[in-house]
Amino acid sequence: NAGVTQTPKFQVLKTGQSMTLQCAQDMNHNSMYWYRQDPGMGLRLIYYSASEGTTDKGEVPNGYNVSRLNKREFSLRLESAAPSQTSVYFCASKIGRTLSTNEKLFFGSGTQLSVL
Amino acid sequence: AQSVTQLGSHVSVSEGALVLLRCNYSSSVPPYLFWYVQYPNQGLQLLLKYTSAATLVKGINGFEAEFKKSETSFHLTKPSAHMRDAAEYFCAVSDATSGTYKYIFGTGTRLKVLA
Repeated sequence: NAGVTQTPKFQVLKTGQSMTLQCAQDMNHNSMYWYRQDPGMGLRLIYYSASEGTTDKGEVPNGYNVSRLNKREFSLRLESAAPSQTSVYFCASKIGRTLSTNEKLFFGSGTQLSVL
Repeated sequence: AQSVTQLGSHVSVSEGALVLLRCNYSSSVPPYLFWYVQYPNQGLQLLLKYTSAATLVKGINGFEAEFKKSETSFHLTKPSAHMRDAAEYFCAVSDATSGTYKYIFGTGTRLKVLA
């Protein structure tokens, strides 16, 4: 049972380069999330998708785009990477799409991104 | 909007000693509260959650947390620390006020267990 799978695990980019972080879950979950984790700031929500075909901005969406390709996959794209986007990125999912916010989140193991 | 505050970015305890990690929340509606743990180089895992069924919540690995509305707190405790408890711990609240599906995380507390 893979759970939430993120690729790649590590990535180094030069300023201005683009890349896409991939996330897939095999638990038939409806909601998916992208967070970034920075020292002293905890996890901050970038974008989320409550169901297939919908996406919404979180706390820190600037510089990012997302695609909910299907129910399983939720990708995060950096169009023109900046050093401020150096961070650890986590994808997460949960089963519900409604306001059942007592459900737990399932996290991937993260992508460590450095932008030089 | 809801929020959580974790007091102490780093906590050190001796093996066998009490673990106390503090979390205070702000919410205009009854909140759902969570504690997650992150071991090195891993994603977050749920330790326990409060969903109004009981104020004292027991989680995995011997951890528990008590919801205190009067103090707006949800502190995490464990009677006896073990070396394997060394990790980063995050308190979170679900944002049920804005019609969305977001979770708000605290800034985290890194627990160090001394031999």
